[in-house]
Amino acid sequence: QVQLQQWGAGLLKPSETLSLTCAVHGGSFSGYYWSWIRQPPGEGLEWIGESDHSGNTNYNPSLKSRVTMSVDTSKNQFSLKLSSVTAADTALYYCARVLRGRRYSSGNYYYFYAMDVWGQGTTVTVSS
Amino acid sequence: SSELTQDPAVSVALGQTVRITCQGGSLRRYYASWYQQKPGQAPLLVIYGKNNRPSGIPDRFSGSSSGNTASLTVTGAQAEDEADYYCHSRDSSGNHYVFGTGTKVSVL
Repeated sequence: QVQLQQWGAGLLKPSETLSLTCAVHGGSFSGYYWSWIRQPPGEGLEWIGESDHSGNTNYNPSLKSRVTMSVDTSKNQFSLKLSSVTAADTALYYCARVLRGRRYSSGNYYYFYAMDVWGQGTTVTVSS
Repeated sequence: SSELTQDPAVSVALGQTVRITCQGGSLRRYYASWYQQKPGQAPLLVIYGKNNRPSGIPDRFSGSSSGNTASLTVTGAQAEDEADYYCHSRDSSGNHYVFGTGTKVSVL
């Protein structure tokens, strides 16, 4: 059974760079996309970005200028860096595996994307 | 603001049926996935695709879609179904992901 284990610094000062890593245990790393999601205290979920096993990335436009994702296939790990953090970046950060598929119906393909395995979450607080 | 809109809160009597909806233009082209989140826990995928349940998810959870609206139905709600529920899909550009605003379900 696939498990994701994530870690990283939990307390940052404004302008510093957030750095988190997620390790994939017990399953394939290739053939999947891998995402980061965050949840500010008392708020909803926000998608940050995703990467495939080759390092092809896709970022939330609202965070794109500050986000970098990378992968290490030798360790089955993927990482997130978010630069120039502010208090608004205080949140619970999750890594997740993305399941992708499609269904053919009535002459069209319909696609789905589902985050089927999640890490335990890492609380990141930005405070001076 | 999210491109996927959900009602903030709904309540359901124990054993009754509750439907949670998610509206957004991208849902005409992409299926929604649904997640259950209980306090202090990571989200849990409960429905994906046309109406697929991951292993271990009870069959009282089902999904459907019509036009720009996706729905998650819980038939015979149990006390343990009390949680926040989020839908998720592609955004209107089709290039990025977006989560719904979330629905808090209370089981009375």
